[in-house]
Amino acid sequence: QKEVEQDPGPLSVPEGAIVSLNCTYSNSAFQYFMWYRQYSRKGPELLMYTYSSGNKEDGRFTAQVDKSSKYISLFIRDSQPSDSATYLCAMSAPDSGGYQKVTFGTGTKLQVIP
Amino acid sequence: DSGVTQTPKHLITATGQRVTLRCSPRSGDLSVYWYQQSLDQGLQFLIQYYNGEERAKGNILERFSAQQFPDLHSELNLSSLELGDSALYFCASSVVAGAADTQYFGPGTRLTVL
Repeated sequence: QKEVEQDPGPLSVPEGAIVSLNCTYSNSAFQYFMWYRQYSRKGPELLMYTYSSGNKEDGRFTAQVDKSSKYISLFIRDSQPSDSATYLCAMSAPDSGGYQKVTFGTGTKLQVIP
Repeated sequence: DSGVTQTPKHLITATGQRVTLRCSPRSGDLSVYWYQQSLDQGLQFLIQYYNGEERAKGNILERFSAQQFPDLHSELNLSSLELGDSALYFCASSVVAGAADTQYFGPGTRLTVL
């Protein structure tokens, strides 16, 4: 079983829809939770980062973490065609040296149709 | 533009050959990470350097090696290349080792092994 599971999609939604992207994890030591967006043929870029359980909002994006269920989500409101990309969840836990080791999900491909 | 540069953008080579990928981190970043991304495996962490020293190792094959130079640029060497090594190779940098929220990715090098 992978430490981080993410549905690869693809997920197609009409413009203006609310998108929900999800990841589950098995390692209870994960402390930091991140979402990256990756456009085709580009490097991933950090979208959201959170440490605690609960919601964090940034514009049209909301990151949600439920540590008790080992489940994280990214919500995109009023989705736009420019949101079409692959979204990767990532989470980190301290290694034996106390430094954060990051594990990425495989990514969900999102297509927002005009 | 993340500030991380990678060269070359594309590389086509034959099995059994050796190639070198180069990465220049963002100004001021001391930590460099290398990742491999293939369609079926997602983003796989290979190795991390911090201020010239190897900090953490991931799923890096023995045929692969890396180093970080005094000017903080890094090179990833891939030898005895196999068809399965065809992938996107990303470099990321951050200010401090293990900082989960501050990894900035370069545009990647697309390696094709024929």
